[in-house]
Amino acid sequence: LAKTTQPISMDSYEGQEVNITCSHNNIATNDYITWYQQFPSQGPRFIIQGYKTKVTNEVASLFIPADRKSSTLSLPRVSLSDTAVYYCLVASSGGYQKVTFGTGTKLQVIP
Amino acid sequence: DTAVSQTPKYLVTQMGNDKSIKCEQNLGHDTMYWYKQDSKKFLKIMFSYNNKELIINETVPNRFSPKSPDKAHLNLHINSLELGDSAVYFCASSHLTALAGVTSDTQYFGPGTRLTVL
Repeated sequence: LAKTTQPISMDSYEGQEVNITCSHNNIATNDYITWYQQFPSQGPRFIIQGYKTKVTNEVASLFIPADRKSSTLSLPRVSLSDTAVYYCLVASSGGYQKVTFGTGTKLQVIP
Repeated sequence: DTAVSQTPKYLVTQMGNDKSIKCEQNLGHDTMYWYKQDSKKFLKIMFSYNNKELIINETVPNRFSPKSPDKAHLNLHINSLELGDSAVYFCASSHLTALAGVTSDTQYFGPGTRLTVL
């Protein structure tokens, strides 16, 4: 399993775009990247997933450069309700894999 | 409708007791998991079942025994509870999807069960 490294915490003001970068230098060819969000006292919630280039959904965008050694989760115009822990995961394709959650990035949105 | 549900939400018990946590998913997924999140917020996988068969069994004391009566349910029974078992336990289910030429797995988590052992 590729090890992931992400900042422990970030602060942002309401209305700003937030970018959280995750490093995964030893990502393998068949690995893909998933981001989850966890609010206090709740289970993690799937945000977005990608393999290469850019993926966008109604919640976020995921940017993956050509070498795939990192990925950036972009949250447009954050609000107070986006305060949560964000986890970056790398997993292998082809089956039900043991997924390892790292320490995550604690995002604090400030009014 | 709740996709992944767990009962109970809170569980307070004495050391040495035996307790069970139940999990049900109505998403039609084939795979279910149990995770433990400790006080430092590390989320660690404990078990995974695919179509009622155990596929992942991490280094977990054998006091913990998962049971999957059908693919929509995965229960966790814990014998002889210890203080260190206090944590939040999350159930999850997942399905495989195609993603740019690879097969990805997306997990859906339940609300968690906060277990406190006194």
